[in-house]
Amino acid sequence: QVQLVQSGSELKKPGASVKVSCKASGYTFTSYGMNWVRQAPGQGPEWMGWINTNTGNPTYAQGFTGRFVFALDTSVNTAYLQISSLSTEDTAVYYCARDSRYFVFDPWGQGTLVTVSS
Amino acid sequence: QSALTQPASVSGSPGQSITISCTGTSSDVGAYKYVSWYHQHPGKAPKLIIYDVSNRPSGVSNRFSGSKSGNTASLTISGLQAEDEADYYCTSYSGSTTLVFGTGTKVTVL
Repeated sequence: QVQLVQSGSELKKPGASVKVSCKASGYTFTSYGMNWVRQAPGQGPEWMGWINTNTGNPTYAQGFTGRFVFALDTSVNTAYLQISSLSTEDTAVYYCARDSRYFVFDPWGQGTLVTVSS
Repeated sequence: QSALTQPASVSGSPGQSITISCTGTSSDVGAYKYVSWYHQHPGKAPKLIIYDVSNRPSGVSNRFSGSKSGNTASLTISGLQAEDEADYYCTSYSGSTTLVFGTGTKVTVL
């Protein structure tokens, strides 16, 4: 079955970087785009952007430029989210979600909790 | 882009029907058929329940239905069940390969 499995929780200090992975299985990885979504504690989801898994071209939503990088390793069907210069405001659950149709997210990964604390 | 506007909470008794609204603008909800709905149970990832305004993915109960009029999309849950208690979010394509989420609605089954 189609499945996205994300890497485990991370605890980072302010100023550090983090890399979250999202491994896909059950479908042709390069046939569907991959989205990234942030959900801060007690808040709704926020779309961060997406990456074209065929071309590698990323699109970043407003507010997610500069410190955020979407990357791929198509040899292992995995998408990555890297965040640099972390601050406490980056504490959130980060989800990957396959673009199953035009901006339709299905399925989602289980989420990765990133906690930024000194 | 600004988030789409949803009511903070909606409640209903088992068996009743409830409707959640999702209000955007002529640049997002009003402009495209690409409105989706997701529900999210506590501690879980969101799950798709409606796409392209009114289509249900395979395996999703037909108690969920979607519609759109102008700049407002709606999700109706009929025959409300205890398992429907969750947070519900709409999304809309908003042009230039961007997407916006709704503010979210907490559904309570009384």
